[in-house]
Amino acid sequence: DGGITQSPKYLFRKEGQNVTLSCEQNLNHDAMYWYRQDPGQGLRLIYYSQIVNDFQKGDIAEGYSVSREKKESFPLTVTSAQKNPTAFYLCASTASGRAAFYEQYFGPGTRLTVT
Amino acid sequence: SQQGEEDPQALSIQEGENATMNCSYKTSINNLQWYRQNSGRGLVHLILIRSNEREKHSGRLRVTLDTSKKSSSLLITASRAADTASYFCATDEDTGKLIFGQGTTLQVKP
Repeated sequence: DGGITQSPKYLFRKEGQNVTLSCEQNLNHDAMYWYRQDPGQGLRLIYYSQIVNDFQKGDIAEGYSVSREKKESFPLTVTSAQKNPTAFYLCASTASGRAAFYEQYFGPGTRLTVT
Repeated sequence: SQQGEEDPQALSIQEGENATMNCSYKTSINNLQWYRQNSGRGLVHLILIRSNEREKHSGRLRVTLDTSKKSSSLLITASRAADTASYFCATDEDTGKLIFGQGTTLQVKP
């Protein structure tokens, strides 16, 4: 079964703690993306990576960090510097870094609650 | 940055009726994509329409693109209760990433 997995589905953390969200794909895709979705809102791009060992900031990168050491993995760390981290986080991938020309495949999402 | 914006924000129809959602964007694009999201899930790709295409069909879905008006529409014909979801358009701010609109929430009543 090819696809994108995100774990865990629900995550609870105390304010001030860093937390890492997992994203793995076995589609052999070059590019991977992290989005944040707030209730009733669209998706906002946090970080993206078009190739292994390289990544770029999206529109709302402050308070987040990523790594892309392996093609299949793109973990997202939500740091204590993120002012309002409670949200639904979605990971996606495309076959090529030219996202405009390819469909994005999404994982099931991780709902993070910070209290 | 906000590229695509959907209209209406919410739509409620009866099963069997057609549903039309619109998307407007600001800058020139290479392609425009439509996605669907069931509540609490990830997005699923529906259709990609290229900037040199005017219309595209997939099953009960029909997408149009008017680059002169910088707008696109998604038509779902003969809607079903299972079509209840949020629908998003996505445009390319540059070739490396997509910008998603706020979405249209569609409710299809049985």
